[in-house]
Amino acid sequence: DQQVKQNSPSLSVQEGRISILNCDYTNSMFDYFLWYKKYPAEGPTFLISISSIKDKNEDGRFTVFLNKSAKHLSLHIVPSQPGDSAVYFCAASDGEGSQGNLIFGKGTKLSVKP
Amino acid sequence: NAGVTQTPKFRVLKTGQSMTLLCAQDMNHEYMYWYRQDPGMGLRLIHYSVGEGTTAKGEVPDGYNVSRLKKQNFLLGLESAAPSQTSVYFCASSYPRTGNTEAFFGQGTRLTVV
Repeated sequence: DQQVKQNSPSLSVQEGRISILNCDYTNSMFDYFLWYKKYPAEGPTFLISISSIKDKNEDGRFTVFLNKSAKHLSLHIVPSQPGDSAVYFCAASDGEGSQGNLIFGKGTKLSVKP
Repeated sequence: NAGVTQTPKFRVLKTGQSMTLLCAQDMNHEYMYWYRQDPGMGLRLIHYSVGEGTTAKGEVPDGYNVSRLKKQNFLLGLESAAPSQTSVYFCASSYPRTGNTEAFFGQGTRLTVV
């Protein structure tokens, strides 16, 4: 029973356009959400996060949107660059209930074409 | 600043052999984690530790043991390796949850059990 779902295994976008990566969750107790980026043969690196008390968080080209009623979050990358090509993992936490443990989605592989 | 360091980076084991994966962090983090990543499965938590001398089971703990004798080190042991344990293993560390749970990951250990 997957609590964090990334239904698109892959996404291809042209350089300069917007990339939108989606994530759905089922556990209403989740109150903190993160996006990680992973290049081949490297560990995941933290990208951006959002608390459930917010509906948007922005950091440069990266913006995360949270829709709590729909249990849905998305990561927008504008403009997309070839260096953004990587696997993106969505993760969620319910804080004390799980000792802060992160539940990860299966990931979406983003390819940004020049 | 090294962050999270995993050794070894690669290993091939025969079925039934044992080995220990070492994770070291120099950020004075309380929490440490071991994940495995398999194709199409995302990151799954094996075991975690909320402080020196403590360990707890994650989502997929069977076949693994862990120890946290020192705050900076978290060891993952395979007592009798099985082909199903072929995977990429990631260690991570984080501060205690105070409102976010950003975790820092090591570069991974690629283990093949033949």
